Amino acid sequence: QKEVEQNSGPLSVPEGAIASLNCTYSDRGSQSFFWYRQYSGKSPELIMFIYSNGDKEDGRFTAQLNKASQYVSLLIRDSQPSDSATYLCAVNSAPTGGGNKLTFGTGTQLKVEL
Amino acid sequence: GAVVSQHPSWVICKSGTSVKIECRSLDFQATTMFWYRQFPKQSLMLMATSNEGSKATYEQGVEKDKFLINHASLTLSTLTVTSAHPEDSSFYICSARDRSTQYFGPGTRLLVL
Repeated sequence: QKEVEQNSGPLSVPEGAIASLNCTYSDRGSQSFFWYRQYSGKSPELIMFIYSNGDKEDGRFTAQLNKASQYVSLLIRDSQPSDSATYLCAVNSAPTGGGNKLTFGTGTQLKVEL
Repeated sequence: GAVVSQHPSWVICKSGTSVKIECRSLDFQATTMFWYRQFPKQSLMLMATSNEGSKATYEQGVEKDKFLINHASLTLSTLTVTSAHPEDSSFYICSARDRSTQYFGPGTRLLVL
């Protein structure tokens, strides 16, 4: 059983629209949650992290966390073609990430179309 | 954010040779670094967790005698692929943890002929 699940996509959205990426996790003890973006042929880069229930906004990105539902999402507003990439959800069970490794989902491919 | 470098960025070698990849945290100290491997169109696969001053912890199915990891300082971890074979050709990526967050290096693309 996968511990972190994501829809592999591709998720296609028109330029300027909101892209919604979803992730579920199985470990109820998970405390910290991360979204990474990976362009083809490149390594992942951190977009944002969230620890508390609710929304966290950073520019065009909003992370949403619902621990009761074991669900974390990433919204990208005003999607641009440059946002086309694979988005990886990662979960860590330690309160502040110390000592434990991240568990990654398999990623969702996002395509933003002109 | 924190910066992690890797060297080399790509390497081509003959079958049977050994290849060393370096991972450095440039502006922070990382007691823990991680080594991943990624095959084309597949997800990241954690190979091992590297702790400064102690032996690495390998994931199930990863041969510790083939993938040697040394974390000699708080800013440097190395991965040596010993007696590389064509099936070891892959994209190797390290990451370093700065407090609660993992930052990835740019990756090393290995091609074994």
